[in-house]
Amino acid sequence: DVKVTQSSRYLVKRTGEKVFLECVQDMDHENMFWYRQDPGLGLRLIYFSYDVKMKEKGDIPEGYSVSREKKERFSLILESASTNQTSMYLCASKAGEDEKLFFGSGTQLSVL
Amino acid sequence: QKEVEQNSGPLSVPEGAIASLNCTYSDRGSQSFFWYRQYSGKSPELIMFIYSNGDKEDGRFTAQLNKASQYVSLLIRDSQPSDSATYLCAVNGGGFKTIFGAGTRLFVKA
Repeated sequence: DVKVTQSSRYLVKRTGEKVFLECVQDMDHENMFWYRQDPGLGLRLIYFSYDVKMKEKGDIPEGYSVSREKKERFSLILESASTNQTSMYLCASKAGEDEKLFFGSGTQLSVL
Repeated sequence: QKEVEQNSGPLSVPEGAIASLNCTYSDRGSQSFFWYRQYSGKSPELIMFIYSNGDKEDGRFTAQLNKASQYVSLLIRDSQPSDSATYLCAVNGGGFKTIFGAGTRLFVKA
């Protein structure tokens, strides 16, 4: 059974903290993505990666960075968490350009 | 900016009826189209994809694509209470990006 695993289901952090969200996939996919989901706004792409050490900005990259040192792992970093980054964060991967996305179970992040 | 538009709903249908969900997209160059279902508190899961104009059927689900009108729809026949969820329309936005609509909430009343 294919899997995308996110390290935390719920996370509570304080304003200004550095936050790491980890994602691991076991499908040998080249492409990995980080989305955030907010009520009424749908899923918005933060960053994606099409290869190890390669990254591209999505639609809302401000305040975020990413790291992809190994093919199976894609990390999202909040350098200095702010309250407006409270959201559901979803990691996803896919095999090719026109292929479907496989999602992790999501991390609900609250920044207080 | 490339966009995908959906009616947010909620759409309410009685059990056994046909639910019709609609989506429009702005990028004429889009080649692949997806419908994801998302239950409350869960992550999205793919239920249909379509690449060519016309209809594609899978069980109770039919996806319809009209590239000339930049329109994608999802029909759910014999709707069940278990179909109550948010349905996300998604479009390949060029390269590796997938662009999502905000989703339509569907309620199926028993």
